[in-house]
Amino acid sequence: DQQVKQNSPSLSVQEGRISILNCDYTNSMFDYFLWYKKYPAEGPTFLISISSIKDKNEDGRFTVFLNKSAKHLSLHIVPSQPGDSAVYFCAASRYFSGNTPLVFGKGTRLSVIA
Amino acid sequence: TAGITQAPTSQILAAGRSMTLRCTQDMRHNAMYWYRQDLGLGLRLIHYSNTAGTTGKGEVPDGYSVSRANTDDFPLTLASAVPSQTSVYFCASRRNGPPGELFFGEGSRLTVL
Repeated sequence: DQQVKQNSPSLSVQEGRISILNCDYTNSMFDYFLWYKKYPAEGPTFLISISSIKDKNEDGRFTVFLNKSAKHLSLHIVPSQPGDSAVYFCAASRYFSGNTPLVFGKGTRLSVIA
Repeated sequence: TAGITQAPTSQILAAGRSMTLRCTQDMRHNAMYWYRQDLGLGLRLIHYSNTAGTTGKGEVPDGYSVSRANTDDFPLTLASAVPSQTSVYFCASRRNGPPGELFFGEGSRLTVL
């Protein structure tokens, strides 16, 4: 039973265009969501987060949108750059209602083509 | 700044042998985690510890054990390795306050033959 789903294993985008990575979750108790970026042979690094009291959070070129009714979140990268090519993991937890471990999706491999 | 240090970086192990993957953090984070990453399966939680002296089972705990004798160290032990435990293992710790993100080590690549 996969609680966090990233249904697109891969995505290719032209440099300068928008990248949209999607994530769905099934556990309505999740109240905190994060995106991680992973390069080959490195550990994942934190990118951006959002709590369930918000529907949008921005950090530079990265914006995360949360739709609680649809149990869906998305990461927008604008403009996309070749250095953004990596695997992106969506993660969720019950942070504010009982600190639980993060549950990760399977990841989406983003390729930004110059 | 060291952050999370994992050792060894990579290891080849014969099936049936035991192995301990070491993890040390210098950020005084309360919670620590072990994940494994496998192609097509993403990051799966093996064991976790919310604070020194306590541990919990994650999604895939079988064949693994952990201990948390102090805040800084969180070793993962494979008592009798099997080929299905071939994977990349990541240790992580979680910031004590918001935004509560995880900090990951560089990973330990384990091959069980």
